[in-house]
Amino acid sequence: EADIYQTPRYLVIGTGKKITLECSQTMGHDKMYWYQQDPGMELHLIHYSYGVNSTEKGDLSSESTVSRIRTEHFPLTLESARPSHTSQYLCASSFSGERTDTQYFGPGTRLTVL
Amino acid sequence: KNQVEQSPQSLIILEGKNCTLQCNYTVSPFSNLRWYKQDTGRGPVSLTIMTFSENTKSNGRYTATLDADTKQSSLHITASQLSDSASYICVVSDRGSTLGRLYFGRGTQLTVWP
Repeated sequence: EADIYQTPRYLVIGTGKKITLECSQTMGHDKMYWYQQDPGMELHLIHYSYGVNSTEKGDLSSESTVSRIRTEHFPLTLESARPSHTSQYLCASSFSGERTDTQYFGPGTRLTVL
Repeated sequence: KNQVEQSPQSLIILEGKNCTLQCNYTVSPFSNLRWYKQDTGRGPVSLTIMTFSENTKSNGRYTATLDADTKQSSLHITASQLSDSASYICVVSDRGSTLGRLYFGRGTQLTVWP
């Protein structure tokens, strides 16, 4: 089991609210990622980070933002949630020094915006 | 266009039976191919990883094969157990960018019945 944690696991919130999804890892990994996954569909990369103070947008356009102030912490924020943001959000991390650069995933946050 | 296609989309088998899941990809340049297992409501967990020079890799009852010439991979599950019920995701990595981007299939939803 990977040492990567996400909170909350489930969140139901009304339109227009600001939310922050937390992700922390204790493996000392330098790279971290956020993916969005709808039921029966593939994972889409929405944000990634190579290290502290480094963040980049992924393949899928997202209205969310991320920050990487500490190596172990990579929170994702939605300033104003909308029903179209309803999805599962998965956080992952990897170590660039590992040859295969395997990504280890957290348990995910299931977000529902009413 | 870099793509990963998996088949079948879903599969139901009886406990104790074997099954094989397929993955075809068009990702180039190819770096490695992973099979992940994703339990319902959880994050994916890596089962196997194969580089260009490897054509088979085992992890317990899971055996993955890779044909880099035809760009096909398969995951064979032997003597299935109820706990094998999950989505199995094929993930291909390229080295065309510093990110080592991952391309995800939509997964095969496997259900094992007693």
